Amino acid sequence: AQKITQTQPGMFVQEKEAVTLDCTYDTSDQSYGLFWYKQPSSGEMIFLIYQGSYDEQNATEGRYSLNFQKARKSANLVISASQLGDSAMYFCAMREGLIGSARQLTFGSGTQLTVLP
Amino acid sequence: GAVVSQHPSWVICKSGTSVKIECRSLDFQATTMFWYRQFPKQSLMLMATSNEGSKATYEQGVEKDKFLINHASLTLSTLTVTSAHPEDSSFYICSARALQRGRQTDTQYFGPGTRLTVL
Repeated sequence: AQKITQTQPGMFVQEKEAVTLDCTYDTSDQSYGLFWYKQPSSGEMIFLIYQGSYDEQNATEGRYSLNFQKARKSANLVISASQLGDSAMYFCAMREGLIGSARQLTFGSGTQLTVLP
Repeated sequence: GAVVSQHPSWVICKSGTSVKIECRSLDFQATTMFWYRQFPKQSLMLMATSNEGSKATYEQGVEKDKFLINHASLTLSTLTVTSAHPEDSSFYICSARALQRGRQTDTQYFGPGTRLTVL
């Protein structure tokens, strides 16, 4: 079974509007971390936001917020006020196990976001 | 902070040659670094976990004799693609997990990637 599922291969959004990128995960661990990364056409992976499994509040970083619904095992990324520079591939990822363990990230298949002028 | 560099950013080589890719954490120490491979329009596939001072842990299906990993210091890991062939052409990305007050943090920071083309 896929550990990280991103069901939207591509998304379009009008500039200045908000957009939600979906991510569901599968784990039996109680302790885990969820991440979102942005990959523009240059290839660099840019860290956007992190949510720990024990965090009670949804993470926010500027225009990015993570809609964490633990019971549904979803961790959707919300980008508010989209900008043209937000056009990129977005990856959801999960680290299973405790913080500090040398566990690797598991990535979803990604969502290509295109912001329209 | 938390900058990771990779060198070279791109390389073209002939089939049969070896290519070394360096991954450095510039402003933090990293006991653990990860090497990924990415094909066009696909996700990142973990190749190996590189631990400072010890042998790397390779994922299933990754040939450790072909992809040599050395993690000689807390700021440098190298990936050497030995006897490269056209099918090794790919985008290789490293990441490092930062140490903070002697403990590993949770966030991985990625290098800019190395595009390898084997002719």
